Amino acid sequence: EPEVTQTPSHQVTQMGQEVILRCVPISNHLYFYWYRQILGQKVEFLVSFYNNEISEKSEIFDDQFSVERPDGSNFTLKIRSTKLEDSAMYFCASSTTNTQYFGPGTRLTVL
Amino acid sequence: AQSVTQLDSHVSVSEGTPVLLRCNYSSSYSPSLFWYVQHPNKGLQLLLKYTSAATLVKGINGFEAEFKKSETSFHLTKPSAHMSDAAEYFCVVSDQTGANNLFFGTGTRLTVIP
Repeated sequence: EPEVTQTPSHQVTQMGQEVILRCVPISNHLYFYWYRQILGQKVEFLVSFYNNEISEKSEIFDDQFSVERPDGSNFTLKIRSTKLEDSAMYFCASSTTNTQYFGPGTRLTVL
Repeated sequence: AQSVTQLDSHVSVSEGTPVLLRCNYSSSYSPSLFWYVQHPNKGLQLLLKYTSAATLVKGINGFEAEFKKSETSFHLTKPSAHMSDAAEYFCVVSDQTGANNLFFGTGTRLTVIP
């Protein structure tokens, strides 16, 4: 059964550094998403992406964040200058209809 | 605006007894509702979804949920808990826009006592 994959599973970085989180959505899906879950808190929507552009973004998704689909398979989330409060689990999801399928997540730790 | 409220942050049941995880929703229009499960150190797995078809929805692992518009509820149930059901459960509503962004509840941690 096809699934969403994410790499790396765990990323440790220093505050102020740039990180890129990678996702490979399910191949025939058209919508792509990033969510995050700060430890002990609920899952929060960050951004949705369709037809090579951002469909919608939350207040969390400020100028420090960007998304890209550099080729036909990958979907990336870039954080330009990480802050301590960016430490969280980041989930990628994809969908064709209104059902989203999630990857296993990348745990980002900012020191 | 769409939102969900999960009424219990933690539910504890004995193995073999019924499970009830409560969820109420708020939506400007007919919602799409989901339950996702997150096992420790794992990703989010779709349990079941309601998208305006049958109000009683059956999902994986013996779970089901009933959409009750009059009560704005979408409670998750299972007749008999198994140890493997211990996890965090999220009630989720879709915003029904083109991208169908999801809005999560705060989660209910289910503990199953042997």
